[in-house]
Parts: sequence; structure tokens; C-alpha cells
Amino acid sequence: DIVMTQSPDSLAVSLGERATINCKSSQSVLYRSNNKNHLAWYQQKPGQPPKLLIYWASTRESGVPDRFSGGGSGTDFTLTISSLQAEDVAVYYCHQHHSDPVTFGQGTKLEIK
Amino acid sequence: EVQLLESGGGLVQPGGSLRLSCAASGFTFSSHAMSWVRQVPGRGLEWVSAISGPGSTIYYADTVKGRFTISRDNSKNTLYLQMHSLRAEDTAVYFCAGKRDTTPFEYWGQGTLVTVSS
Repeated sequence: DIVMTQSPDSLAVSLGERATINCKSSQSVLYRSNNKNHLAWYQQKPGQPPKLLIYWASTRESGVPDRFSGGGSGTDFTLTISSLQAEDVAVYYCHQHHSDPVTFGQGTKLEIK
Repeated sequence: EVQLLESGGGLVQPGGSLRLSCAASGFTFSSHAMSWVRQVPGRGLEWVSAISGPGSTIYYADTVKGRFTISRDNSKNTLYLQMHSLRAEDTAVYFCAGKRDTTPFEYWGQGTLVTVSS
């Protein structure tokens, strides 16, 4: 199984500042047939299901604000929120759908400093 | 509007059984692979089981293999999870989630809570 490890486990950032979350996979999630990284980012708020933010490592889902961006390739990825807003307080998960079983990172809790 | 509505959760004793359902609408259900993903309250996400669009390919996590059975009825746009021999560690919110062939989970239900306790 591909193990997804996020860092940090929790993060406190001031409003308007940048937040960066890291995700490392135990194996490459670059899919040779389409040259895409099968890595997604989700946002989960209390009492809600996860919401897809980013797919193919760097493509924003429709409707997701452009302050959210994803980067990286192979085994190392980042989610960046360029200017933190109050509504961004949530737990963020990375997710690989390259190999079965699909797996998730342990989550990063993002709070306001 | 896409909707996934889970039902069937509740309190069950250890060793008991439960059947979850997930009613889908707003998208072409038969074209989407479906999964069950669970989450212990306050903890992370754990994939449980997946079934292909036609229902011909099925996968299970090792933690539930032999105890849980996933199925789908494309004529009713409904996904199921039959759970037997339930254990305390199966206590979680169970989400159904849908995806196309090489995409991540695009669609999620709101979840149904399963509590295994005596």
C-alpha cells in the first residue's frame, strides 16, 4: 500500500498569511499512461464530508478560490493557501488514487493564529 | 445537482450485522465507480471498499475483507454495504463516494454513523 504522510499535523497561521501543507507518498504517484500525478487534496470542515479542492496535484476543482494551489510531482507535494481566510479553517487531506488500495494522509488541522 | 444520501447506520452490538445504502442522483451512476470510506469521529479517512461502474470489479480493505460485502443496483442508482461480524473498531461515520475512471472521489455523501457497542 502507498503510505501518505502529511506535515505538519497542525498549523496555525494569521489571517492573510500563507499556509503550506506538505504531503509525501511512499511511492511515486505519477501515472505513466497520462503523465499525471494521481494526487488530490481535500478540505473537511466539522460535520461535513471532504470537499475536493485540487486534483492531478495542481488542478483546482471548479469553484475553488484561486488562493488555493497545489504543486509537486512524483512523491512530494504541497498545498498552499496564499492568503488565509477565516473560512479556510478545516482539516486538509492529501489522497493518492494511483494504486489500489487508494489511501489518504493523516490530515493537517489548519487554525487561525 | 449531485446527491448521495446514505442510510442504514445505527447502534449494533458486537458480532451483529448492518446494511448501509447510498442513493445517488444528479449524475450517471452506472458510469461511476463507487466506494465506501469511513472516518472514526475526530480521526482520518479510511477507504473500505470499492466497486466498478458495472459492478464487475470489487476491492476491499484488509480490515473488512470477509466481513463486508459491497454491491450496487444501477437500475435503482443505489450502492450498498452489507456488514457482518461487526467489531468496536468498525465504529465510524461511513461515507459513500463516487469517481470516474482515473479521477479522485468527486462526489461524497454526508455520511451515516455506525456505532458498534454493547
